[in-house]
Amino acid sequence: DVVMTQSPLSLPVTLGQPASISCRSSQSLVHSDGNTYLNWFQQRPGQSPRRLISKVSNRDSGVPDRFSGSGSGTDFTLTISRVEAEDVGVVYYCMQGTHWPPITFGQGTRLEIK
Amino acid sequence: QVQLVESGGGVVQPGGSLRLSCAASGFVFSGYGMNWVRQAPGKGLEWVAFIRDDGTYRCYADSVKGRFTISRDNSRNTLYLQMNSLRPEDMAVYYCAKKEPGPSPIIDYWGQGTLVTVSS
Repeated sequence: DVVMTQSPLSLPVTLGQPASISCRSSQSLVHSDGNTYLNWFQQRPGQSPRRLISKVSNRDSGVPDRFSGSGSGTDFTLTISRVEAEDVGVVYYCMQGTHWPPITFGQGTRLEIK
Repeated sequence: QVQLVESGGGVVQPGGSLRLSCAASGFVFSGYGMNWVRQAPGKGLEWVAFIRDDGTYRCYADSVKGRFTISRDNSRNTLYLQMNSLRPEDMAVYYCAKKEPGPSPIIDYWGQGTLVTVSS
């Protein structure tokens, strides 16, 4: 199984400042079709997850452009260019769908106010 | 827009059974594979099962293999999860989740979830 390791698990942030979450996979996520099936999700308290980013770096419609995804192979990053209040208290997950079953998730990273 | 509405959660004793349903709308249900994903209280996300668009292929997490069965009725736009021999560690919010277009079962849309409580 592909192990997804997120760090940090809790990220103290300052409003208006950038923040980055790392997601590392135990093997390359490049699929035989050339795509990399790595998504990022946001989960607010009491809500279901919402996709932010697909295939490493494709931002979903309606997602603020302060969110961006990058990376390749086994190392991926979700970056918030300027943290806003609505981004705090929320958990962010990476997920891979290249090597399956099983689909696997990172442990989740919670943003908190510094 | 895509809507996924789960139902069927509730309280069940260890060893008991429950069937979850997920009513889908806003997309061509018969054209997409579907997943079940669960989240234990205060924990992260755990993939449970996947079924291909036509129902001909299914796969499961090791933790539920042999106890859970995923199925679908494309005429009713509904996904199911039959859960047998339930254990306390199966207690979680269960989400149905649509896969993206393409060869991967990776998820784009999620339902709101239904809570399964396993307790005597």
